[in-house]
Amino acid sequence: RKEVEQDPGPFNVPEGATVAFNCTYSNSASQSFFWYRQDCRKEPKLLMSVYSSGNEDGRFTAQLNRASQYISLLIRDSKLSDSATYLCVVNGDGGFKTIFGAGTRLFVKA
Amino acid sequence: DTAVSQTPKYLVTQMGNDKSIKCEQNLGHDTMYWYKQDSKKFLKIMFSYNNKELIINETVPNRFSPKSPDKAHLNLHINSLELGDSAVYFCASSRSGTAINEKLFFGSGTQLSVL
Repeated sequence: RKEVEQDPGPFNVPEGATVAFNCTYSNSASQSFFWYRQDCRKEPKLLMSVYSSGNEDGRFTAQLNRASQYISLLIRDSKLSDSATYLCVVNGDGGFKTIFGAGTRLFVKA
Repeated sequence: DTAVSQTPKYLVTQMGNDKSIKCEQNLGHDTMYWYKQDSKKFLKIMFSYNNKELIINETVPNRFSPKSPDKAHLNLHINSLELGDSAVYFCASSRSGTAINEKLFFGSGTQLSVL
């Protein structure tokens, strides 16, 4: 089993749609959770950290379920500029080892 | 100023050659990393260093030799390049490797093509 698994995608949605991405992780001792965004031919950049209580940043909402080892990202009112690959990221139990999921590609169309 | 800078941006070379990629961060971070992103876009950790000391080596072939002369620099030297080494290599840094919710800052990547 992969350490971090994500929806394979790609997701093709119209502008204004709501889209949700899911992710599971295998190491129950993991401490930190994130969503990163990677544009084509660019480096990954932090989108948001994910907290146990769930957190929201504008149109983006992240949820963490430690019991199920599950992380989600919800994007509301999708914009063309949201088109990118979204990477689920987990920091391992010993630190120094941040594991990336394979990413989910999102295409938002006009 | 760029926070994490790596050079070169593109590297095209023949099989069997030896090449180096340089990385520098001006954020004062203690921890630096090398990641490899292959053609399937999977981003996989290769090495992590904390204050110049190797912490993680993810079963990378010993043709890959990272070197950290100081905590602001982590260079990657690759000997006897193979076709399978073709990928994008990202350098990254974080303030420390163990703090909760520590985010990574990435360089812009080096596209390595081995012919």
